[in-house]
Amino acid sequence: AQRVTQPEKLLSVFKGAPVELKCNYSYSGSPELFWYVQYSRQRLQLLLRHISRESIKGFTADLNKGETSFHLKKPFAQEEDSAMYYCASYNFNKFYFGSGTKLNVKP
Amino acid sequence: KAGVTQTPRYLIKTRGQQVTLSCSPISGHRSVSWYQQTPGQGLQFLFEYFSETQRNKGNFPGRFSGRQFSNSRSEMNVSTLELGDSALYLCASSPPTSFQNIQYFGAGTRLSVL
Repeated sequence: AQRVTQPEKLLSVFKGAPVELKCNYSYSGSPELFWYVQYSRQRLQLLLRHISRESIKGFTADLNKGETSFHLKKPFAQEEDSAMYYCASYNFNKFYFGSGTKLNVKP
Repeated sequence: KAGVTQTPRYLIKTRGQQVTLSCSPISGHRSVSWYQQTPGQGLQFLFEYFSETQRNKGNFPGRFSGRQFSNSRSEMNVSTLELGDSALYLCASSPPTSFQNIQYFGAGTRLSVL
């Protein structure tokens, strides 16, 4: 079965520090990878997807097929980045979500 | 466009009862997926419906079932509720385009089983 692993439940950084949220997926076929974000009292929403190769709110994520990873990065964290982040894969017509990482950006 | 709408927002039930949750997708979206969200497990996929047919199913017991109507609205039913069924149930719809793999989520229905 497909598996998406986010090893950190909680990540705390100071404002202005770099941040990296880790995500590893079990390889099977050619999954499509996503990062979803849930801000406090808001709905879960798409942050970015790997095929778009775009930067959203300063975040980027590179798909590393060799390491089966899709880590989310931002060079300078902002307080408004504090949220719950979920990595997800789409493969064989199913979505698989990780257990989520709570990012806390301290002032 | 209105977003994905889930009703009710909150539910309190007792063990052994059954419950039905409703989801109205974004207009034009034909795919509806259901997820169970808990603090420890994150999001777990329940099932997906497309054009009134269950297209995919996760690893949940048969007590969890769903259906989709011709207007793409979907319902999820849980019978013989257990304490462990307490969770936030999320519904998501996807557009019928090249972006069909993007999920648009509702606010969820929080189910508490006492």
